[in-house]
Parts: sequence; structure tokens; C-alpha cells
Amino acid sequence: KAGVTQTPRYLIKTRGQQVTLSCSPISGHRSVSWYQQTPGQGLQFLFEYFSETQRNKGNFPGRFSGRQFSNSRSEMNVSTLELGDSALYLCASSLRGGLYEQYFGPGTRLTVT
Amino acid sequence: GNSVTQMEGPVTLSEEAFLTINCTYTATGYPSLFWYVQYPGEGLQLLLKATKADDKGSNKGFEATYRKETTSFHLEKGSVQVSDSAVYFCALPRDTGFQKLVFGTGTRLLVSP
Repeated sequence: KAGVTQTPRYLIKTRGQQVTLSCSPISGHRSVSWYQQTPGQGLQFLFEYFSETQRNKGNFPGRFSGRQFSNSRSEMNVSTLELGDSALYLCASSLRGGLYEQYFGPGTRLTVT
Repeated sequence: GNSVTQMEGPVTLSEEAFLTINCTYTATGYPSLFWYVQYPGEGLQLLLKATKADDKGSNKGFEATYRKETTSFHLEKGSVQVSDSAVYFCALPRDTGFQKLVFGTGTRLLVSP
């Protein structure tokens, strides 16, 4: 069974631009969560989607948004990029969320210049 | 919400040495506890988990026991290898039943031949 895939793996953007990251969960998994990893803040939860609905949200500004499609694939969008948005963005999928364990993808490395 | 505290790194060991990475938690109830590992340039991989008090999770020679008396979930390995060099994260759900994982700051392990 294929793992969680994320595209693109690397991305360079300029301040003020917007970016969309994609995540394809493990087949059959319906919950997708997003995390931001930076050296300074560590791993921080962004949001979780389950059956196309946002079920949980972390403490990030409204510039960060996401959505989930009927096939469980998810996208994350960051608008008006700031230098501080440079990070590794990790997607994790889970069978149903709740107590089910999460499986992480390799991440998308975003660099904002 | 729940929280976790993890020992600072880096931890530097010689091959075949004994490893302990400390993790303590604060939680309501008895949530599942996890150890994740991140190899250089990769996403997170679930290393092991424990779902209730006194459970011992184990994988690839690593072990951790869920101890409610000391609210700890220390990671141990009897004999480390160079290939174990990575960053290790202790984690638990922020709230009961939800996927919003809270991670420790991570402990970098460096194993030399």
C-alpha cells in the first residue's frame, strides 16, 4: 500500500505570493492533518480534515487555509507569504482520525525569499 | 490541553551504547503516547506507541513503557547503531480523541562508529 505523498517536495516563493501544497493520503484513510515544522517553533498543528470538513484548527492566521476533496486528497494554501512561513510542511493521514494513529508524508520544504 | 516535555539534545553515543531519551507528559485521562523518528531529509515515521497505562511499545529494538505514576514515556534501546542517528519526537493528542498531536521539541541522536 502506497504511503502518504506530498507534492511538490521543494518550493521557493517570494514574499507576498501565495502557494498551494498537495497531500494524497494512504488509500482508505479519510482524515488528513497538516503540521508546520520550523527550527524555532518545532512541530505545530495547522488543521485536520475529515470527510471534506475541517474538524480541528491550530493557532495560525487566516492566511493559512486548507480543503479536502471527496477522494480524501487535501490541499493547503498560504496567501501573502512571509519570510517566517519558510518551513517543512508535513501532511499526515489516518484511517478515521480520533484515536487512530497518523502516518506522515515526506513533507514539502517551502522557502520564502 | 495535554502537553509533553522532552529532554534536550543532541545525544551523542558510540555504536552499541545504551540509549535513553526522556519524555514526560501532562494529560487529562490516559491518552495514547507515541514516539516518532525523523531521519535527515525525511518526514516523520511512527516508531512505537502505547495506548494505555503500563503498556510497552516496541519496534526495531526500541522500547518505551507508559508509566502513569511518573507520567513518563522514556525511549530506550539496548544497543544503538549508526543508522539510528535521527531526531526523535515524543507525542500525544492535545485533546482526547482528536488527531491534533502535540510534539516534544525533538531530541537529536548522533551515533558514531
